[in-house]
Amino acid sequence: DVQMTQSPATLSASVGDRVTITCRASQTISSWLAWYQQKPGKAPKLLIYKTSSLESGVPSRFSGSGSGTEFTLTISSLQPDDFATYYCQQYNTYSRTFGQGTKLEIK
Amino acid sequence: QLQLQESGPGLVKPSETLSLTCAVSGASISSSASYWGWIRQPPGKGLEWIGTIYYSGTTYYKPSLKSRVIISMDTSKNQFSLNLSSVTAPDTAVYYCATLDSTSAGYFYYWGQGTLVTVSS
Repeated sequence: DVQMTQSPATLSASVGDRVTITCRASQTISSWLAWYQQKPGKAPKLLIYKTSSLESGVPSRFSGSGSGTEFTLTISSLQPDDFATYYCQQYNTYSRTFGQGTKLEIK
Repeated sequence: QLQLQESGPGLVKPSETLSLTCAVSGASISSSASYWGWIRQPPGKGLEWIGTIYYSGTTYYKPSLKSRVIISMDTSKNQFSLNLSSVTAPDTAVYYCATLDSTSAGYFYYWGQGTLVTVSS
């Protein structure tokens, strides 16, 4: 399996901050990476696919970048609705794997 | 509008088989380039991909679960199912069904609401 490692595990930030979450793959995955947002008690919601493509309806303050083994999710100006847990997921191989998650908390 | 709804027992005894169904509306599970999957999330933990089934019936499973998992589809009922055998307490989780994108079959673009399955005697 391709291992996906996210950092940090927890991130404290304030409304209006710019934040970045990192996801590293144990082997190259080209650009086959997605990001999800999950709120408590809810199913994950797709934000970004193929590293940087924004899913329809997702605010433009979310952006993704990277390639190979290192990827980032950036939120340009945090809004109250953005406090949630974020997961990356690789799909370079038939065996999909998720990162362990990054919890974005209000400072 | 696409909808996915998981159903099945909320409590399963250790060593028994966990069986869940995902009913799909708003799309045909047998349509060309349609892909479906199961993901689980133990309480308070992260997401774990279990497996994927293609419209053709081809399946792919997480290697560590492969010996215990079967994902199948029932086109007459437009639903697909998960069977996980020989369950133990670590199999306790919220189980989600989801559909994958039609281009790469790579990412999960629409999810069901999830169903909690507890393994306990």
